[in-house]
Amino acid sequence: SQQGEEDPQALSIQEGENATMNCSYKTSINNLQWYRQNSGRGLVHLILIRSNEREKHSGRLRVTLDTSKKSSSLLITASRAADTASYFCATDDRGQGGKLIFGQGTELSVKP
Amino acid sequence: DAGVIQSPRHEVTEMGQEVTLRCKPISGHNSLFWYRQTMMRGLELLIYFNNNVPIDDSGMPEDRFSAKMPNASFSTLKIQPSEPRDSAVYFCASSANYGYTFGSGTRLTVV
Repeated sequence: SQQGEEDPQALSIQEGENATMNCSYKTSINNLQWYRQNSGRGLVHLILIRSNEREKHSGRLRVTLDTSKKSSSLLITASRAADTASYFCATDDRGQGGKLIFGQGTELSVKP
Repeated sequence: DAGVIQSPRHEVTEMGQEVTLRCKPISGHNSLFWYRQTMMRGLELLIYFNNNVPIDDSGMPEDRFSAKMPNASFSTLKIQPSEPRDSAVYFCASSANYGYTFGSGTRLTVV
């Protein structure tokens, strides 16, 4: 069953702009993770935020987590054409033995 | 580190044939996961192993699907007999604690 739901499904921006993607989930979690997938490739782990954290940074990435709203956001600042990819949130569901359940993803296109 | 290695990268087979997908996880990772990705259903977890033991196979769609992990460095996903609706990209991922490392996937086409 789907746990994370990303919004928007697709996002197109110009290079240099910021990109924000949102994720909502349904159950209690241990942590929430974001992954990137380039076309035809496997997923790459970007960042993990634990349920007791509210914000985390990694380079140009900023992730927030609001457990009261069961939602997270991923912000990519100063986007580059190389950021073009699909971005997935995944939740480590406490009730599911810790396995990761992925959302449907947001397809980001960054135009040069 | 070569990462998670999957083979083959592409597989085209006829309906009814047996298909075997292979995965070599990262050395030292104690959890291994098989996912299937399609446009319609997204990423679906099929089965995962912890220390070579199957923990949860509730995502395996039918008895036609089976998975094994005979040792810490090798796993297989078998489909017998294959059907056109099995066409998808199959990913293997491994993990030590948090964060999965994915392989490049096997693109399976059943005609």
